[in-house]
Amino acid sequence: AQTVTQSQPEMSVQEAETVTLSCTYDTSESDYYLFWYKQPPSRQMILVIRQEAYKQQNATENRFSVNFQKAAKSFSLKISDSQLGDAAMYFCAFGTYKYIFGTGTRLKVLA
Amino acid sequence: DTEVTQTPKHLVMGMTNKKSLKCEQHMGHRAMYWYKQKAKKPPELMFVYSYEKLSINESVPSRFSPECPNSSLLNLHLHALQPEDSALYLCASSQDSLGQDEDTDTQYFGPGTRLTVL
Repeated sequence: AQTVTQSQPEMSVQEAETVTLSCTYDTSESDYYLFWYKQPPSRQMILVIRQEAYKQQNATENRFSVNFQKAAKSFSLKISDSQLGDAAMYFCAFGTYKYIFGTGTRLKVLA
Repeated sequence: DTEVTQTPKHLVMGMTNKKSLKCEQHMGHRAMYWYKQKAKKPPELMFVYSYEKLSINESVPSRFSPECPNSSLLNLHLHALQPEDSALYLCASSQDSLGQDEDTDTQYFGPGTRLTVL
């Protein structure tokens, strides 16, 4: 069975600092996608970053970057220069058509 | 434009009522999804439509009835719901897994409908 694990229920980071959210997954597939979504109190799930499993290069989107370790089945999200607006629930997801979500990590940003 | 819209934002209904949730996207996506999300939990997949045909039903009770009138619209008809059905209902869309573009399987979510069943 395919699973996604987020072992940090809650994380805190000081404004302007860097934080890393962890995600591990289990699958026997070789070609798949991995995603990080952000869900602020406004509720909407917002795509943060996407990684294709066949690409060795780690994806980056402005202040957001991933550390993708395919052999270790690890997909962590690094947020640099954290901002108050980054405070949200972050979900890691695995899938090609049907997503499997992790349980989420609540990120608090301290002013 | 990566926008998915959902109406209404909030809905309160009794257990004997019939209501509908609506979802719309204008990105030319051919796959649309309904999710149910309880507080502090990840979204749970309910239904998937691909090219306007139901392709996945995650053993959802029949009191939830999906409908896809065209490629841009997705409805969820509600009837005889229970209080435990109270949740955030999210709609999403994607290009479809049959596509060649690398964005094929990326799902874009709407803002959700907060449903309360009394």
